[in-house]
Amino acid sequence: GAGVSQSPSNKVTEKGKDVELRCDPISGHTALYWYRQSLGQGLEFLIYFQGNSAPDKSGLPSDRFSAERTGGSVSTLTIQRTQQEDSAVYLCASSPPGQGASGYTFGSGTRLTVV
Amino acid sequence: GDSVTQMEGPVTLSEEAFLTINCTYTATGYPSLFWYVQYPGEGLQLLLKATKADDKGSNKGFEATYRKETTSFHLEKGSVQVSDSAVYFCALCHNQGGKLIFGQGTELSVKP
Repeated sequence: GAGVSQSPSNKVTEKGKDVELRCDPISGHTALYWYRQSLGQGLEFLIYFQGNSAPDKSGLPSDRFSAERTGGSVSTLTIQRTQQEDSAVYLCASSPPGQGASGYTFGSGTRLTVV
Repeated sequence: GDSVTQMEGPVTLSEEAFLTINCTYTATGYPSLFWYVQYPGEGLQLLLKATKADDKGSNKGFEATYRKETTSFHLEKGSVQVSDSAVYFCALCHNQGGKLIFGQGTELSVKP
């Protein structure tokens, strides 16, 4: 597609349920990043995938959060046993080979509300 | 660890006013610096960047100069328009392949 696609655009879930958020990066972009945008916390890095290398998971806030990237393309961020503090907009970005942070394209995000 | 601090918003200006949004950073070495903009209802977009000390990034009338001595990357525009109303984020990246560290964001509202 022309841009980074995220789905769903909005998700309301009950506390304690698991959720999966999907990101379709731009074709050919080898790097994929997840961020979280929440009130009071700004934009926080969560996880970064680069090609076939082991992902940088240093930003995941707890072991309830995990992410995978299948076939070097689509990525899924999973939050288990959701809590109210997980409510935020989850942003995905991808970048072409060799451009890193200079080549980011962000998706429109998934707004997660935990009730 | 690395961090970015921005002036708090919201900032409200009249059209054609001069804009400065302050940004300072803490980092080891020589990070690359960025300004991103998020217009209402839209995704984050790269506005400008600078990759080394004394570089000036510019785009759409906005400018920012990488000042190593003051660890700053202040965003400026000489004459703002209503269409500049958005949230502006300052960010740094410690290496070209890595993650962005963002400031808290500054909301700008420009009134006609």
